[in-house]
Formats: sequence, C-alpha cells, structure tokens
Amino acid sequence: DAGVIQSPRHEVTEMGQEVTLRCKPISGHNSLFWYRQTMMRGLELLIYFNNNVPIDDSGMPEDRFSAKMPNASFSTLKIQPSEPRDSAVYFCASSLSGDTGELFFGEGSRLTVL
Amino acid sequence: AQSVTQLDSQVPVFEEAPVELRCNYSSSVSVYLFWYVQYPNQGLQLLLKYLSGSTLVKGINGFEAEFNKSQTSFHLRKPSVHISDTAEYFCAVRKTNFGNEKLTFGTGTRLTIIP
Repeated sequence: DAGVIQSPRHEVTEMGQEVTLRCKPISGHNSLFWYRQTMMRGLELLIYFNNNVPIDDSGMPEDRFSAKMPNASFSTLKIQPSEPRDSAVYFCASSLSGDTGELFFGEGSRLTVL
Repeated sequence: AQSVTQLDSQVPVFEEAPVELRCNYSSSVSVYLFWYVQYPNQGLQLLLKYLSGSTLVKGINGFEAEFNKSQTSFHLRKPSVHISDTAEYFCAVRKTNFGNEKLTFGTGTRLTIIP
C-alpha cells in the first residue's frame, strides 16, 4: 500500500519566491496534518484538517503561510513570499479520525530559502 | 494544553548495552502516549503506543515503554541495542477525546550506538 506521498522532496528557492508543497494522504484516511521540523524548534504542528476542513490552524506562523485541502486525496501548503527562516523540513501526515491517533508520516519536503 | 518533555537531547550507548530514553508529559486530561522513531532523511514511524490497560507496552524492534501515571512518565527501553537503532526518538501525546486529533511532540532524543 502506498504511504503518504509528498512532493517535492527537496526545494531550493530564493527569498521572496512562492513555494508550494504537496501531499497525498493514505487512501481512506480523513485527517491530515502539516508539521514543520527545525533544529531550533523541533516538530511543530502547523495545521490539521478533518474531512477536508481545517480544524486547528493555530500553528501557522503568519499570513505568508496558507494550506488547502480541496479533496480527500490532496493537500497543499503554500508560502508566499518565502523567507530564509522558513527553511525546514515540512512533513505531511494522515490518520483515520476516530481511531487511536496513529499518524502516518510522509518522507518530508526539505525546503531551503536562500 | 498538553506538553511533552524529553530530558535528554542525546544519548550515546555501546552496542548490546541497555538503553532508557526518558519522557515526561503534562496534561489536565487523560491522554494517549506514543513513541516515534525517525531514521536519517526519513519521516517518523510509530514504535509503540499506550492507549489503556496494561502499563507496559511492547513495540517494534524490541522496544518497550512503561506508562507511569503518578510520575506522568512514559520512558522507552530496550535491553540490548543494535547499530541499526541509531536514530532520533520522539515522545508524543494527544488527548483521548475524539475530535481532537493533534499530536504534541517532544523535542526528540538522538540515540547513537557506539560499536
């Protein structure tokens, strides 16, 4: 079975550019999470969706960040404009809501903003 | 809100020696507890979880953890480590009530196995 699929795996961009990260959750899962991992701050939850609806976006750093989930099999995290401090590994994870909460993670998208 | 503290950021251990990675949590409500492992350049994968019942939980790769409610701890142990256990380990907590799915992670413990 395919796991959580993220793209791109690596992205290098210049400050001010728009960045779009993509995620395909595991089929049948109805909760989706975006996490950011940095050395300084560890793993931070940015936003999570349940049945395609954003439930908690309190971790989204600022208005430059936005996330969408137009359907059950696709989500995007967009940063516009990007800044060097956004450099991190961004993970997408999915789970089956109402279950015991095990998250299945993608392999991450490593973003470097120059 | 719940929180997780992993007391050790790095733990070096000789191969075949036992190891304990410490995790303490704080929450005003009942919680589920998890340990995840992250190998280099990979996402996190579940090692084990405590939901209810027996306080000793066994997971994959020979790891186990014990839930101690009075000490609000969920320490991870392995009696004999292998080189392949070199990775970063994360403790995580979430509330038990459905509809609140988010996991809060600790800062991680990097386990290094010395040959």
